Amino acid sequence: RKEVEQDPGPFNVPEGATVAFNCTYSNSASQSFFWYRQDCRKEPKLLMSVYSSGNEDGRFTAQLNRASQYISLLIRDSKLSDSATYLCVVNANDYKLSFGAGTTVTVRA
Amino acid sequence: DVKVTQSSRYLVKRTGEKVFLECVQDMDHENMFWYRQDPGLGLRLIYFSYDVKMKEKGDIPEGYSVSREKKERFSLILESASTNQTSMYLCASSLVRGVEAFFGQGTRLTVV
Repeated sequence: RKEVEQDPGPFNVPEGATVAFNCTYSNSASQSFFWYRQDCRKEPKLLMSVYSSGNEDGRFTAQLNRASQYISLLIRDSKLSDSATYLCVVNANDYKLSFGAGTTVTVRA
Repeated sequence: DVKVTQSSRYLVKRTGEKVFLECVQDMDHENMFWYRQDPGLGLRLIYFSYDVKMKEKGDIPEGYSVSREKKERFSLILESASTNQTSMYLCASSLVRGVEAFFGQGTRLTVV
C-alpha cells in the first residue's frame, strides 16, 4: 500500500465552482500534513500546511481527519489560475516527507 | 525569501557518463533532499541529509550518491548514467525536521 494516495482526477470545473478532493495516508503516527501546488513543468510550491483539525486560507480550506486518516482540500470560487496539480504531503517520520502522486484540477472559463 | 537554486534546468548526458547535479540553499536550512519525479509515480525520495557530511538513503538510492560538504550545498551524483535515470530531479530544503520543504526549480535530465 502506498503511504499517500490521491485521486488523480482530473477534476474539470467551471469558473466559480467549488471543488474538493481527498488524500489518504497509511501511517497513523503521521504528524504534519501539507498541500502543495505544482504547475506544469514547474517545481511544487507550498499551498498550505495542515497542523491541527484544519485551516483556511482565503478560498482554500484544508481539513484533517485523523480517525479516518485523510486530509481534504476544498477550493471555493475557482479561478482559471487554480488549474494545477495539487500534491498531498505527509510527514511519516522525523525527516521524510511522503508525497502523493497528485490531483489534477482544470478550471474552465 | 526562501531560495533553493539548482545548477541546471535542462541536461542531456550520454549513457555511462558521471553526472553531477548541484543544489544550493540560502536559508541556513538543516535538511536537504533530492527527489525524482516521473509521470504517474509522483515524487520519490532518493537521498536526504540532515547535517553537513551526513546522508541517509531514501526510497530509491540505487545508482545515486550524494555529497554535502557545506551546509548550503547538496550534490546528487549519478555514478554511471543510464536511460532509466531520465527524469525530473528536484532538490528541496527544510529548516528542521517535520516542517514544510522548499523546492528548487528542478533539473530535467535526459540520458541518451
